[in-house]
Amino acid sequence: SQQGEEDPQALSIQEGENATMNCSYKTSINNLQWYRQNSGRGLVHLILIRSNEREKHSGRLRVTLDTSKKSSSLLITASRAADTASYFCATEDNFGNEKLTFGTGTRLTIIP
Amino acid sequence: DAMVIQNPRYQVTQFGKPVTLSCSQTLNHNVMYWYQQKSSQAPKLLFHYYDKDFNNEADTPDNFQSRRPNTSFCFLDIRSPGLGDAAMYLCATSPMGGETQHFGDGTRLSIL
Repeated sequence: SQQGEEDPQALSIQEGENATMNCSYKTSINNLQWYRQNSGRGLVHLILIRSNEREKHSGRLRVTLDTSKKSSSLLITASRAADTASYFCATEDNFGNEKLTFGTGTRLTIIP
Repeated sequence: DAMVIQNPRYQVTQFGKPVTLSCSQTLNHNVMYWYQQKSSQAPKLLFHYYDKDFNNEADTPDNFQSRRPNTSFCFLDIRSPGLGDAAMYLCATSPMGGETQHFGDGTRLSIL
């Protein structure tokens, strides 16, 4: 399986703290993306980082990418109760087939 | 707002009774995807369309079929559902050459 792995599987933190999730993948990639999924809902795209980028920011989100280690991390700063959700990394390989391979996800719970 | 709409949100069917799930989009995207997501797992790609060009994943069971009569609509047919097919089914779209995917809120399928 080419599926990526995420850790931790579950994370509970106090509101206001920072949350860090990690993703590892197996193939060469064109880009890596992070998605959020609220319970019982579809996935929402958060941020995309290309293979030639090392860090990207969007609001309270910071993503890093290390292609030599085939890994990425997502940092959410100053967490809020509304950030409670599952977070998935997804990789687009460089075969041009426009498919994403999703990681196993991290379930984030923010405690008010 | 342009969006991806899945109907119904919840579907119950009997073991072995055919069922059809539907997806429509107002984004005018060329590419449409169907994913299966079981509880606490990553979305798993079943198949996708580039316009009317159908692409089946190698490990998608023959029990799963799809139709795309036009750009806006796509259907997932499960010919003889088994208990193992109980899952959330997610539809997603992207423009040709686009990198991110836009998801519907899914249909949760239960098998009695």
